[in-house]
Amino acid sequence: SQQGEEDPQALSIQEGENATMNCSYKTSINNLQWYRQNSGRGLVHLILIRSNEREKHSGRLRVTLDTSKKSSSLLITASRAADTASYFCATDDSGNTGKLIFGQGTTLQVKP
Amino acid sequence: GAVVSQHPSRVICKSGTSVKIECRSLDFQATTMFWYRQFPKKSLMLMATSNEGSKATYEQGVEKDKFLINHASLTLSTLTVTSAHPEDSSFYICSARTSVGEQYFGPGTRLTVT
Repeated sequence: SQQGEEDPQALSIQEGENATMNCSYKTSINNLQWYRQNSGRGLVHLILIRSNEREKHSGRLRVTLDTSKKSSSLLITASRAADTASYFCATDDSGNTGKLIFGQGTTLQVKP
Repeated sequence: GAVVSQHPSRVICKSGTSVKIECRSLDFQATTMFWYRQFPKKSLMLMATSNEGSKATYEQGVEKDKFLINHASLTLSTLTVTSAHPEDSSFYICSARTSVGEQYFGPGTRLTVT
């Protein structure tokens, strides 16, 4: 399995429900970032959480990080149809090169 | 957030020709930029790290003579796909790293080689 594995691979929910996506990684990290990608478009940076942080919020987004389990979760509350997209976690290498290793992504569909 | 642009957004070229893609950080300086490749319904694959004023660092399996990278200034990196072939058709995305470690991505360039 690869660094930055995500589950589920696909998630379909109704508008208004919460969506939770999980990401696991293998090596030490400086930080972990979550991105969103609409079909055929570039990536939008959502949130960065550092290795010494456990939780971070941004609007309807809540990210947690458990370095002991090498895992992170992204929670989107009160989802909207416009949240439909693919979501990727990305970890940097602890060597501070800035290289990001991406997970395979979770495709989220929010039905109106 | 910070803005990164890419040009062109789409390009169609004939096999054997070369194509240049530009990546610009519009409102910040980026000493480091990255080039990724993404196949349909797949994740991003890092191709190379572009460092301002020095040679790019390529990931294993990426041909440096085929994918030429130039980081001419703190706001511009270019990727040139030389002698393109149909298998080079892909979505190419660049990113620029801020001084605090966040990476912002360009909107991507769809390359189709016929």
